[in-house]
Amino acid sequence: AQSVTQLDSQVPVFEEAPVELRCNYSSSVSVYLFWYVQYPNQGLQLLLKYLSGSTLVKGINGFEAEFNKSQTSFHLRKPSVHISDTAEYFCAVSGSGNQFYFGTGTSLTVIP
Amino acid sequence: DAGVIQSPRHEVTEMGQEVTLRCKPISGHNSLFWYRQTMMRGLELLIYFNNNVPIDDSGMPEDRFSAKMPNASFSTLKIQPSEPRDSAVYFCASSLWVENSPLHFGNGTRLTVT
Repeated sequence: AQSVTQLDSQVPVFEEAPVELRCNYSSSVSVYLFWYVQYPNQGLQLLLKYLSGSTLVKGINGFEAEFNKSQTSFHLRKPSVHISDTAEYFCAVSGSGNQFYFGTGTSLTVIP
Repeated sequence: DAGVIQSPRHEVTEMGQEVTLRCKPISGHNSLFWYRQTMMRGLELLIYFNNNVPIDDSGMPEDRFSAKMPNASFSTLKIQPSEPRDSAVYFCASSLWVENSPLHFGNGTRLTVT
């Protein structure tokens, strides 16, 4: 069975400060990892994905994430956040059978 | 690319009425997923289809919920009769049926049952 844990439900951060949103997963098989962003009144949009290869993955809007197999983590980072980054962020894992498992989400609030 | 299209965007109905939500997946995608999002329960997978065939409907809350995919470009989620606890945002997502293919979400239907 696969599962995803997002430890931080809410993360406030000042504008232009760095941010890290944490994601841990559990799986007994190889997985594919994703981060999605949800802006108010919109659907989830793909930020980035890890399929294989380099463990550092770059996505849209200046976000990046690092896959750490030994720690079963896939944390999302941005060196300098903007007001427009205020949104809900979801980590997800998929494996065989194209089943997706989502975390409970982290609400990022950027403070001016 | 038009993306996943859902209709309506908002639906307000009275308890006991039938509600039908619609979804048009991205052309060429052969997997379709219905999710429900609430504050209390987060994102819940209700059902998903592969090549128009329902693969797993274990997330459908009860018999009042039903979903169909009559062809590759259209799916419906029906609630009959609706209840206030069904109030939520319902998302449709599509993807290719390959292991590493990401989901592409529509903008959702916000359902309010009074």
